[in-house]
Amino acid sequence: KQEVTQIPAALSVPEGENLVLNCSFTDSAIYNLQWFRQDPGKGLTSLLLIQSSQREQTSGRLNASLDKSSGRSTLYIAASQPGDSATYLCAVMGGGTNAGKSTFGDGTTLTVKP
Amino acid sequence: EADIYQTPRYLVIGTGKKITLECSQTMGHDKMYWYQQDPGMELHLIHYSYGVNSTEKGDLSSESTVSRIRTEHFPLTLESARPSHTSQYLCASSRGGYNEQFFGPGTRLTVL
Repeated sequence: KQEVTQIPAALSVPEGENLVLNCSFTDSAIYNLQWFRQDPGKGLTSLLLIQSSQREQTSGRLNASLDKSSGRSTLYIAASQPGDSATYLCAVMGGGTNAGKSTFGDGTTLTVKP
Repeated sequence: EADIYQTPRYLVIGTGKKITLECSQTMGHDKMYWYQQDPGMELHLIHYSYGVNSTEKGDLSSESTVSRIRTEHFPLTLESARPSHTSQYLCASSRGGYNEQFFGPGTRLTVL
């Protein structure tokens, strides 16, 4: 059974700092990995999707990397802003017998202080 | 921008009532999903569908049922709501192949 872990559980940084969020998964037979942000009481907003054959994806100040063999992904946020404060979730979509099923991590709650 | 809608956004209901949570998407996505999320906790997949007339149970056991009669519509039904069903229910959809999931705003259900 796929297990997804996100470290740290919470992170507080001053505005302007660069930061890295970590996601690890136990079963490397994945189809893709997706990073989301979730604001309190709201749905999820897709940030970046990395297919299993890709190593990284970039969107604006965000860069996500994937090392499938070691079961790790990182989300790098450059020049953080107070508006980046949210919970960040990674989700791994399974391949093979787990095709079509996504497993989510617990999330990292980020606070960016002005 | 994702066009996936959920109604109602909030629902407070008494024990024993039958409820249906609606989810619709206008993107023509073939795959749709229902997740359950308790406050501050991780999301758990409870149902998914690969297309019309296809439904599968997810990893988390749920007393709810789903149907997929039309591509754009994936309602979730609880025949008899209980306080243990109190949670947030999130609907998502994705297109086959790329499989990037887009989420609706969620329905926050409280069963008294």
